[in-house]
Amino acid sequence: AQSVTQLDSQVPVFEEAPVELRCNYSSSVSVYLFWYVQYPNQGLQLLLKYLSGSTLVKGINGFEAEFNKSQTSFHLRKPSVHISDTAEYFCAVSGAMDTGRRALTFGSGTRLQVQP
Amino acid sequence: GAGVSQSPRYKVAKRGQDVALRCDPISGHVSLFWYQQALGQGPEFLTYFQNEAQLDKSGLPSDRFFAERPEGSVSTLKIQRTQQEDSAVYLCASSLGLAGITGELFFGEGSRLTVL
Repeated sequence: AQSVTQLDSQVPVFEEAPVELRCNYSSSVSVYLFWYVQYPNQGLQLLLKYLSGSTLVKGINGFEAEFNKSQTSFHLRKPSVHISDTAEYFCAVSGAMDTGRRALTFGSGTRLQVQP
Repeated sequence: GAGVSQSPRYKVAKRGQDVALRCDPISGHVSLFWYQQALGQGPEFLTYFQNEAQLDKSGLPSDRFFAERPEGSVSTLKIQRTQQEDSAVYLCASSLGLAGITGELFFGEGSRLTVL
């Protein structure tokens, strides 16, 4: 079984400040890791993903995440946030290619609130 | 189409009523997923189709939930004898290939079901 924990339900931050949204996962098999963003009244959009290779992954809108296998973490970071980054962010995990599991398992989400 | 389309966007049902939620995936997308998102929670997997074949329905919460994709395109999620605990946003997502591997899921805006 797989699970994802996002410890912070809300993260308030001032505009142009750095931010880190935490994600920890649990799985008995190899995994792929993802971050999705949900803007108000919109569907979820893929921000970035880790499948293999470099543990530092860059995504859209200046976000990046680092896969840490020993700590089973995949924290999302941005050096300087904008008001437009205000949204709900979801970390997700899926079984790797040889596990046969197709569905994503999502965390409960972190609401990023960027204040002027 | 340009994106994943879901209808209705909002549905209010009386307890015990049957409802049907429709999903039009992106044209040509092989994989289709249904997720349930309760208020303040992340999406929870319900079921997965590869073309017209329902390969995984392990997330359906009870036998009142039924999904189909008869021609490998449009999908319908049906909930019989709705209960208050069925109130949630139902998300549909599609992908060109084996989505659980790459995570390239494209989500619709969801159908918000409220059961009174």
